[in-house]
Amino acid sequence: SYELTQPPSVSVSPGQTARITCSGDALPKKYVYWYQQKSGQAPVLVIYEDSKRPSGIPERFSGSSSGTMATLTISGAQVEDEADYYCYSTDTSGRGVFGGGTKLTVL
Amino acid sequence: QVQLVESGGGVVQPGRSLRLSCAASGFTFNTYGMHWVRQAPGKGLEWVAVIWYDGSNKYYVDSVKGRFTISRDNSKNTLYLQMNSLRAEDTAVYYCARDGMVGITPTLDYWGQGTLVTVSS
Repeated sequence: SYELTQPPSVSVSPGQTARITCSGDALPKKYVYWYQQKSGQAPVLVIYEDSKRPSGIPERFSGSSSGTMATLTISGAQVEDEADYYCYSTDTSGRGVFGGGTKLTVL
Repeated sequence: QVQLVESGGGVVQPGRSLRLSCAASGFTFNTYGMHWVRQAPGKGLEWVAVIWYDGSNKYYVDSVKGRFTISRDNSKNTLYLQMNSLRAEDTAVYYCARDGMVGITPTLDYWGQGTLVTVSS
């Protein structure tokens, strides 16, 4: 089955740049989406189609994708960005798949 | 505004069945695909199933194939997940989510708040 691989945790100080990676064999042919999930809340879409930002998402959130690796970048991370982040894509038959999630700590 | 409200969760014994519902409002339900996603306690998100806007196609994660059935009633703006032969590993919060066109391709753009299913004897 198709898998997306993320690091379990990333830690930065406030104001630093946080980078969270997501790797998968099908990423050269498939878009990646990024979701932020804060404790006890439903996920929120922060990046779609590799690098686009939905309305209402701060400009410090950006995304990129090259080959089999996608990256979510938070430039000047804030304490309120502390959350779990998940990459998401689909396999060739249209089924969804999430990465294992990355816990971002900002302190 | 888009609203998705799940219901039907609870405690159920292994091997038994449960049906979850997701009531949708604030958008034209019969023009959107819909997903179920689950999250076991302290674990990550797991995609479970998707159904096309008209119910013509359905896809499942391997671990629930043959046990879970996703369906919808467009006249009632409601999405369902029939869960049979439940196992302890099905214990999770179950979210419904809309398959919306944020860009040129659809993705899960709106989510409900989830309903907890606990499988335990």
